[in-house]
Amino acid sequence: DAKTTQPNSMESNEEEPVHLPCNHSTISGTDYIHWYRQLPSQGPEYVIHGLTSNVNNRMASLAIAEDRKSSTLILHRATLRDAAVYYCILRDNKFYFGSGTKLNVKP
Amino acid sequence: GAVVSQHPSRVICKSGTSVKIECRSLDFQATTMFWYRQFPKQSLMLMATSNEGSKATYEQGVEKDKFLINHASLTLSTLTVTSAHPEDSSFYICSASRRGGGTDTQYFGPGTRLTVL
Repeated sequence: DAKTTQPNSMESNEEEPVHLPCNHSTISGTDYIHWYRQLPSQGPEYVIHGLTSNVNNRMASLAIAEDRKSSTLILHRATLRDAAVYYCILRDNKFYFGSGTKLNVKP
Repeated sequence: GAVVSQHPSRVICKSGTSVKIECRSLDFQATTMFWYRQFPKQSLMLMATSNEGSKATYEQGVEKDKFLINHASLTLSTLTVTSAHPEDSSFYICSASRRGGGTDTQYFGPGTRLTVL
């Protein structure tokens, strides 16, 4: 299974944009890029997913590099409720979670 | 978004007993459900894939006789931890797979905290 690499932690100020990077240099052509986030003692929450083109939804935007070896999750205006662990996952059949990025949002 | 529930949310049991955890997809039919385990300060670890009407497939290193999975309907999968021991104490999370946009998106339950005394 292709693996992902994310920074262990990041910090952001409230109301500012946040760019969460993910490297997936061994991605295959059929792997979708999924992002989930998890608050403490809760199940992961779906954020966004894409294959090749950039994607936008009400929660975030996903920017995918042209060679698909990296992607960036963009939260346009971070709020305190966005503080969570964010997981970037390559999906072909099953989900294998990496260590994720713990996002801290400062008021 | 789609809703997946788990029951119970928290369970404490004595060593040697068995515990059953239910996972339900409330507003869609899920032919495939997944079971994960998460230890404190660690990521989720996939345990097994539950397929409706057929046997579950287990990840390497997961004992199928200890973690019994039944997926009897398109909306319900159960995980039974048999002869539980303190090392089985963990956060168990299920997910249900829903197809859309060319890929399966997984929707996760809220998790079940198991404590084995």
